[in-house]
Amino acid sequence: EVQLVESGGGLVQPGRSLRLSCTASGFTFGDYDLSWFRQVPGKGLEWVGLIRSKAYGGTTENAASVKGRVTISRDDSKSIAYLQMNSLKIEDTALYYCSRTVAGLPDYWGQGTLVTVSS
Amino acid sequence: DIQMTQSPSSLSASVGDRVTITCRASQGIRNDLGWYQQKPGKAPKRLIYAASSLQSGVPSRFSGSGSGTEFTLTISSLQPEDFATYYCLQHNNYPRTFGQGTKVEIK
Repeated sequence: EVQLVESGGGLVQPGRSLRLSCTASGFTFGDYDLSWFRQVPGKGLEWVGLIRSKAYGGTTENAASVKGRVTISRDDSKSIAYLQMNSLKIEDTALYYCSRTVAGLPDYWGQGTLVTVSS
Repeated sequence: DIQMTQSPSSLSASVGDRVTITCRASQGIRNDLGWYQQKPGKAPKRLIYAASSLQSGVPSRFSGSGSGTEFTLTISSLQPEDFATYYCLQHNNYPRTFGQGTKVEIK
């Protein structure tokens, strides 16, 4: 069974950093791209970024709203993807999801981890 | 960026009704579109990929159509478990963009 579990969320002050983790199981992690999304409670979904599989260079794409502040990485030996967020802003407050991505489109999603940026 | 305009933003329907939700892309995206269902407190669930392919395990009352700039999600006979919010997502270009969502409520 494909499972994705996000962790690392919490309350953080503006300007600080946070690293989210996405731990995967039930599939060959290294064969897939991984995407990150976020959702302000009660609002719509927003794409944050993506990391390609090593077969496609392991390169990343990021949304303009987080560019320069976010780094996506992966450790295929541990089946974990990371979302490092720096210089956090109040508007980064959201539920963050990771998802397995196939041919550019997410199929399985984790349950999300909540990030609250507040002083 | 490709803008995805989804309509309606909400609708009220009864069990057994046929429901249609539309997404329009600001430029052509071939069939690079998926549809997702999200229930309160839950992660999105993929229903449709490649605009019209039904995700394994999803009931056949869900169908998708369209290509280019106009796409449709149809629920042929609405069931109680279908009351949720639905989103389209384009993956033709970066940044990936969603429609604003359609909340399907009980009439």
